[in-house]
Amino acid sequence: TQLLEQSPQFLSIQEGENLTVYCNSSSVFSSLQWYRQEPGEGPVLLVTVVTGGEVKKLKRLTFQFGDARKDSSLHITAAQPGDTGLYLCAGQYYNQGGKLIFGQGTELSVKP
Amino acid sequence: NAGVTQTPKFRILKIGQSMTLQCTQDMNHNYMYWYRQDPGMGLKLIYYSVGAGITDKGEVPNGYNVSRSTTEDFPLRLELAAPSQTSVYFCASIIDMNTEAFFGQGTRLTVV
Repeated sequence: TQLLEQSPQFLSIQEGENLTVYCNSSSVFSSLQWYRQEPGEGPVLLVTVVTGGEVKKLKRLTFQFGDARKDSSLHITAAQPGDTGLYLCAGQYYNQGGKLIFGQGTELSVKP
Repeated sequence: NAGVTQTPKFRILKIGQSMTLQCTQDMNHNYMYWYRQDPGMGLKLIYYSVGAGITDKGEVPNGYNVSRSTTEDFPLRLELAAPSQTSVYFCASIIDMNTEAFFGQGTRLTVV
């Protein structure tokens, strides 16, 4: 059984601070995705990483995929109140026939 | 441009009742998923399907059943509803492995 361990579960910071969210597994991903979810809505894709060691940037968000394809991180620089929300990592594994598993989520609150 | 449509949006069930949550997508996606999400938490996979006529169990399948007779529809059946099934249910679809998941608006189910 594959598990996606996401940490931290809760994060409350001041505007302007930096933060990092981690997503780890004991198995190798074929791809890993990061989603953001607003209250009352479904998750919306931020990024997909496929290649080991890959780094992608989306404005103040930086996503890294581990060399061994077992872990990923999301780093936010100079967080803004508009970044508040639930961040979710999701992975698909080799030889798992399309199964898409989510981590436990990180509830981020950025205070002005 | 409907995307993924879930019905109903809200439902209250009594213990022991049954119901079907409907999910349909108009994007000709092969893969479809059902998740449940408890407050402030990630998504837990209930069942998924990689194509019409093919379904498989996810992380938490007990108490649920699914069918996939067409590419477009993936209904989730609850038999003998229990309070532990109180949750928000999301349906999602992807066109292929490692691609973006599109989500419905969710169904908020309360079992009393």
